[in-house]
Amino acid sequence: DAKTTQPPSMDCAEGRAANLPCNHSTISGNEYVYWYRQIHSQGPQYIIHGLKNNETNEMASLIITEDRKSSTLILPHATLRDTAVYYCIVRVGTASKLTFGTGTRLQVTL
Amino acid sequence: DTGVSQDPRHKITKRGQNVTFRCDPISEHNRLYWYRQTLGQGPEFLTYFQNEAQLEKSRLLSDRFSAERPKGSFSTLEIQRTEQGDSAMYLCASSLSLQGYEQYFGPGTRLTVT
Repeated sequence: DAKTTQPPSMDCAEGRAANLPCNHSTISGNEYVYWYRQIHSQGPQYIIHGLKNNETNEMASLIITEDRKSSTLILPHATLRDTAVYYCIVRVGTASKLTFGTGTRLQVTL
Repeated sequence: DTGVSQDPRHKITKRGQNVTFRCDPISEHNRLYWYRQTLGQGPEFLTYFQNEAQLEKSRLLSDRFSAERPKGSFSTLEIQRTEQGDSAMYLCASSLSLQGYEQYFGPGTRLTVT
């Protein structure tokens, strides 16, 4: 699986959009971009995934650049409950395991 | 559906003792995964089952570790002769192979080896 690079930490004001970047410059054509998050003392939670088109669900939007070498997870209106570690993972679609890095610690503040 | 459950949530044991953890996946999920997470790190893959078959094992899974999934339902992870380096959060996840994308994680079992 391709390696990902994320900033170690970010801050966001409550109610504002949180934009979390991820670099995956060695991504292969059959690898998807996944995002999970882990709230303190809980197991990771799936957020969204995509191959090359932008995706949106009830939790977030995923913007993937045209060359697929980077992506951005957008939480449109961050709340205090969005404070968590966010992991960007690149994975072949039918692969079994998830390979987590150290993620981005997002702190949402009042 | 109550999600993935793990038992116990916390375990404190002395070095050299054996411990066993249980994971109950979401009903009808045929894939089950075990991960280990140490402080400040992301989860690391240990092993995974499709139904009762153990299909992949990480090199992290030393011979002191064994996992089973009898009848393709719940799974157990046993650590024999525990070492202080085994102290970690052990996470279980499950998914449907047909979808293959989303893994649903349990709350984890925190192991402390003294």
